[in-house]
Amino acid sequence: EAGVAQSPRYKIIEKRQSVAFWCNPISGHATLYWYQQILGQGPKLLIQFQNNGVVDDSQLPKDRFSAERLKGVDSTLKIQPAKLEDSAVYLCASSFRRGTEAFFGQGTRLTVV
Amino acid sequence: GESVGLHLPTLSVQEGDNSIINCAYSNSASDYFIWYKQESGKGPQFIIDIRSNMDKRQGQRVTVLLNKTVKHLSLQIAATQPGDSAVYFCAEGGGGADGLTFGKGTHLIIQP
Repeated sequence: EAGVAQSPRYKIIEKRQSVAFWCNPISGHATLYWYQQILGQGPKLLIQFQNNGVVDDSQLPKDRFSAERLKGVDSTLKIQPAKLEDSAVYLCASSFRRGTEAFFGQGTRLTVV
Repeated sequence: GESVGLHLPTLSVQEGDNSIINCAYSNSASDYFIWYKQESGKGPQFIIDIRSNMDKRQGQRVTVLLNKTVKHLSLQIAATQPGDSAVYFCAEGGGGADGLTFGKGTHLIIQP
């Protein structure tokens, strides 16, 4: 079974630029999550989708972050404009249904300079 | 602030010994808990989970204990191997929130 796929693996941008990350969850998983992991910390939930609808985006900085999952499968997370403090690993995860274990991708390491 | 925390940032054990990683959680409404292992440059990898209606669950070389009275979770790894070196996170879910809340992690170091 293929795991959660993310791209790119690494990205370096200057502050105030925009960036987008892509995620393809495990086939059949209805729930998709985006997490932000700052170095030395545990992952923090940014947004959760159930199929193509948003379940929880309470911790998403909506003035600069946006995410979509238009067809209920792939998802993109965008940051515009980026700030230095956005430097982190952005992890995508999926689960078969809400309330079950989430499987993570390898993440995208973002460096904002 | 964090709702899930770990007692020790680093734990060093001898290869072959058993290790115990502890976690304290604060949301008494959480109804499931998961331990993840994260190796450098990789995403968290599911190890084992436990529901709030259980006190103990065993997997291959791993055991998770849940003490709801004191809101404490632990992960026991038997006969540690070099490949067990990683950062271990406990995470809680449920209690009205679907997403997982993670703690800061414990770095397990296996000494030869």
